[in-house]
Amino acid sequence: DTAVSQTPKYLVTQMGNDKSIKCEQNLGHDTMYWYKQDSKKFLKIMFSYNNKELIINETVPNRFSPKSPDKAHLNLHINSLELGDSAVYFCASSQGDRTNSPLHFGNGTRLTVT
Amino acid sequence: AQTVTQSQPEMSVQEAETVTLSCTYDTSENNYYLFWYKQPPSRQMILVIRQEAYKQQNATENRFSVNFQKAAKSFSLKISDSQLGDTAMYFCAFQGSARQLTFGSGTQLTVLP
Repeated sequence: DTAVSQTPKYLVTQMGNDKSIKCEQNLGHDTMYWYKQDSKKFLKIMFSYNNKELIINETVPNRFSPKSPDKAHLNLHINSLELGDSAVYFCASSQGDRTNSPLHFGNGTRLTVT
Repeated sequence: AQTVTQSQPEMSVQEAETVTLSCTYDTSENNYYLFWYKQPPSRQMILVIRQEAYKQQNATENRFSVNFQKAAKSFSLKISDSQLGDTAMYFCAFQGSARQLTFGSGTQLTVLP
């Protein structure tokens, strides 16, 4: 199936640990994103990559580092996890050179930091 | 910077009736796109409908339609013949030249049997 897939679906970990969330899209899109959805369901852009290059980096702690090995993958690595990092993280993709290209989202990763 | 405002945190509607969700936005851009996304309890983000700002005609997708008022910067979603499966959080979103989506805070819609 064509889709945006992210793993794992759930991630429970302790403060101070380092974790990664993987994202892959097989839609042929050239732009990928990470969004964070907080406990109040508010969605906020974290990063955007176009053809493996970072184009958007909102005010996100340095502990968060996106890595894009190719344009079909955008992984999110988080160092020294804190309680406030608990949220749902969504990966998304779109075709960047088409202004009306809607974002296609993965199913989200619920991260719980204890 | 663009902002998107959804002033109704929660709404409910009886099955088979019609409901309208409100959204306003602020931007200095002239060409942009507006979207409604639906997030059911499964937490999937599902595209419901989209509107191109340069088109005056309101977008329609089956039971879903929008009322786009560009001058007023308003973009409401009308759901006709509401079904139980429409129960979800609905997000209004803006896409301008920066490509990424800016979301509103969402409206939790509950369809009552």
